[in-house]
Amino acid sequence: SQQGEEDPQALSIQEGENATMNCSYKTSINNLQWYRQNSGRGLVHLILIRSNEREKHSGRLRVTLDTSKKSSSLLITASRAADTASYFCATDTSSLQKLVFGQGTRLTINP
Amino acid sequence: DAGVIQSPRHEVTEMGQEVTLRCKPISGHNSLFWYRQTMMRGLELLIYFNNNVPIDDSGMPEDRFSAKMPNASFSTLKIQPSEPRDSAVYFCASSLMALLGQPQHFGDGTRLSIL
Repeated sequence: SQQGEEDPQALSIQEGENATMNCSYKTSINNLQWYRQNSGRGLVHLILIRSNEREKHSGRLRVTLDTSKKSSSLLITASRAADTASYFCATDTSSLQKLVFGQGTRLTINP
Repeated sequence: DAGVIQSPRHEVTEMGQEVTLRCKPISGHNSLFWYRQTMMRGLELLIYFNNNVPIDDSGMPEDRFSAKMPNASFSTLKIQPSEPRDSAVYFCASSLMALLGQPQHFGDGTRLSIL
């Protein structure tokens, strides 16, 4: 079964609004990564947060990690049409020895 | 800087044919990953290599699939014989070091259709 589960599966908002996506996982992790995938392209790494970190920022992206709840959230502020893509969380666990990706959230930004 | 390069970008072939997918990782990266993406199963790790050595191939669906990495700059994923259920997008990714918090860099994939 998937280690990471994103919520919601799809999200549609107006340009300029903030978008929040959530990821839950089942077992202890070393780190959690977020990736973006534009239609017809490969995944692009956005941000990595380690298990001992609670929050991380990169430009308009803000990621939080709550290891007690085994969950993470990705916030995109002031969304743009170019942010339209699928977003995936991926967990790195010492037991699995590999990155495991969730099913993704499909984000649509309406102009 | 060239990213991960995959070829072909699209492949359409008939059931039973041999299919070979190719990948050139980013120069200097020592870990390489093959993934398969479908609507039903999402993104699945098939196999990964560290320093050209296969480390975990538990995701390889069955004996029809094989992967090689003869040197640090080239890898192949082969399906023989191919079946319609193998239709998917296959991604190759590379990273500087596996499992130590390094991001993976993905190619743009090979869209495989088996008729």
